[in-house]
Amino acid sequence: GAVVSQHPSRVICKSGTSVKIECRSLDFQATTMFWYRQFPKQSLMLMATSNEGSKATYEQGVEKDKFLINHASLTLSTLTVTSAHPEDSSFYICSARADREGAGELFFGEGSRLTVL
Amino acid sequence: GQNIDQPTEMTATEGAIVQINCTYQTSGFNGLFWYQQHAGEAPTFLSYNVLDGLEEKGRFSSFLSRSKGYSYLLLKELQMKDSASYLCAVMDSNYQLIWGAGTKLIIKP
Repeated sequence: GAVVSQHPSRVICKSGTSVKIECRSLDFQATTMFWYRQFPKQSLMLMATSNEGSKATYEQGVEKDKFLINHASLTLSTLTVTSAHPEDSSFYICSARADREGAGELFFGEGSRLTVL
Repeated sequence: GQNIDQPTEMTATEGAIVQINCTYQTSGFNGLFWYQQHAGEAPTFLSYNVLDGLEEKGRFSSFLSRSKGYSYLLLKELQMKDSASYLCAVMDSNYQLIWGAGTKLIIKP
């Protein structure tokens, strides 16, 4: 099956710094990528949807200036957590779909665990 | 509003069969997905149903009834490694995934 790679898998940073997480589709062109956040023992929370070459669509309650998403190519999307604070500590997961509009299978990255000290 | 319901937790015995139910109310329907998620890891795809009926894939089967807004995931010959959370997700008319809260499955020897 298709592979989505996410990096880094774990990151620890100091409060106030910015952290970038990369999501790459390794063997297909991902026209649409999704970024999720997951707290312990809770389900996935969709943060934003990004289509290649256009601005991301953020879900209600997600600060677009704090969580910067860039989808500049068909194989790479990045999530930058700006001025991170301890409450931003979470498990961030990306997923990718080949079809821009369609019921194509969603492939997940391995996830990135962010800890803000 | 849109809603996905599935049990919070289930317990089953190694070697047995377990059925995890999912009911949904969404604006439109473009398919239902089941994902498995082990603690601390990202979800992995199990199945996709868009037509009514049963889809079998090895020890796992998934069933869909669109008229009833109902699906189930059936796991046979349970193994200890099947202990995980199982997420039900429905793709709505905008092709967005609506996620259930997940069912934590505990397998006992």
